[in-house]
Amino acid sequence: ETGVTQTPRHLVMGMTNKKSLKCEQHLGHNAMYWYKQSAKKPLELMFVYSLEERVENNSVPSRFSPECPNSSHLFLHLHTLQPEDSALYLCASYQTGTGGGYTFGSGTRLTVV
Amino acid sequence: GESVGLHLPTLSVQEGDNSIINCAYSNSASDYFIWYKQESGKGPQFIIDIRSNMDKRQGQRVTVLLNKTVKHLSLQIAATQPGDSAVYFCAEGDYGGSQGNLIFGKGTKLSVKP
Repeated sequence: ETGVTQTPRHLVMGMTNKKSLKCEQHLGHNAMYWYKQSAKKPLELMFVYSLEERVENNSVPSRFSPECPNSSHLFLHLHTLQPEDSALYLCASYQTGTGGGYTFGSGTRLTVV
Repeated sequence: GESVGLHLPTLSVQEGDNSIINCAYSNSASDYFIWYKQESGKGPQFIIDIRSNMDKRQGQRVTVLLNKTVKHLSLQIAATQPGDSAVYFCAEGDYGGSQGNLIFGKGTKLSVKP
């Protein structure tokens, strides 16, 4: 375990379903991120939360909705997804200005059918 | 049409040899660089970082070299082991940035032959 825990590890959902991905960090970091990793593209930044406020939305479709209720938890709510949204969704945390890079979770492997 | 996957550069080395993985970064204003390792089924794992006021930094069996003139970063792995087989990503960013946003490269797949 890296200190960043993601659940579930695997998720299969239909295009009309609503599901949520959860991320929890135990490192006391002040920034959290959602990344998408697919077979067709390198790591794509989706959302950035700093001190629980969303500071970046990297042109992500509205069918992805993030939520950061506190500095330790981050959610990604999913609804009416498309098959091309199938990917590995990675959560990361970071303490700004300290170096050491991001700490990533193990990801949620999402398959949209 | 047929979907095309991301074709990663692949480096194949013999166990015990040294490996060198290269990365070209894009932003001359970046002052912080990181190497990550991603094994199958796992998230990226921090290996080593370097700030732009340095040109070399060593860790355990790994060395990162930074050439700011040509915007080039390399990762050297000494005495490569089968457990080093993974995809390696470089990342660049702004060390003092308020969000610490990093830009990731496409990755290089390292395959170690026993």
